[in-house]
Amino acid sequence: GQNIDQPTEMTATEGAIVQINCTYQTSGFNGLFWYQQHAGEAPTFLSYNVLDGLEEKGRFSSFLSRSKGYSYLLLKELQMKDSASYLCAVRENTGGFKTIFGAGTRLFVKA
Amino acid sequence: SQTIHQWPATLVQPVGSPLSLECTVEGTSNPNLYWYRQAAGRGLQLLFYSVGIGQISSEVPQNLSASRPQDRQFILSSKKLLLSDSGFYLCAWSVWGLGGAGANVLTFGAGSRLTVL
Repeated sequence: GQNIDQPTEMTATEGAIVQINCTYQTSGFNGLFWYQQHAGEAPTFLSYNVLDGLEEKGRFSSFLSRSKGYSYLLLKELQMKDSASYLCAVRENTGGFKTIFGAGTRLFVKA
Repeated sequence: SQTIHQWPATLVQPVGSPLSLECTVEGTSNPNLYWYRQAAGRGLQLLFYSVGIGQISSEVPQNLSASRPQDRQFILSSKKLLLSDSGFYLCAWSVWGLGGAGANVLTFGAGSRLTVL
């Protein structure tokens, strides 16, 4: 079965850096995604890792270690608009390439 | 460009009533299609996914069903709603293929918020 764990909530200050961790256990691993979801809205794609290492996209970076079943999303120069839920998701190579989501981490950015 | 439409946006239904949520995708062919549900303050639960017309995989036992009558149309239904069916329903699509973020990034519809009373 699948198991994806991430912290429920985090609080950080505007302008700071925050790291959101995600651990997973799954069969047929075929990639890890991070999505951002503002309250009441649909999730939007942030980043993707399929090989070990760091992927950087502007203020956001995502890291993956497949051997450890571990990923993190790093947000730099936090802005108030970054207050949202961040969903860690794992894609499984099981015919339909289904994507399983963690419960999400609610990030509160304070002034 | 590709777009995804999902409707209705909100609905309030009594317990025991039927449900039909519809999702259509434009601008792509043979997409993977997904239905997710998100309970209040919770993560996304995969309900159904489809890799082609008439091909439906169910992830959790429930009183919901899904159908894919056309390549870019995905319908979520119930004959009799339960209180526990309340939630935010999200349709998503992705492009079939291996490797590369573009191969299976999920693009979500705006969602349908269902309240069962």
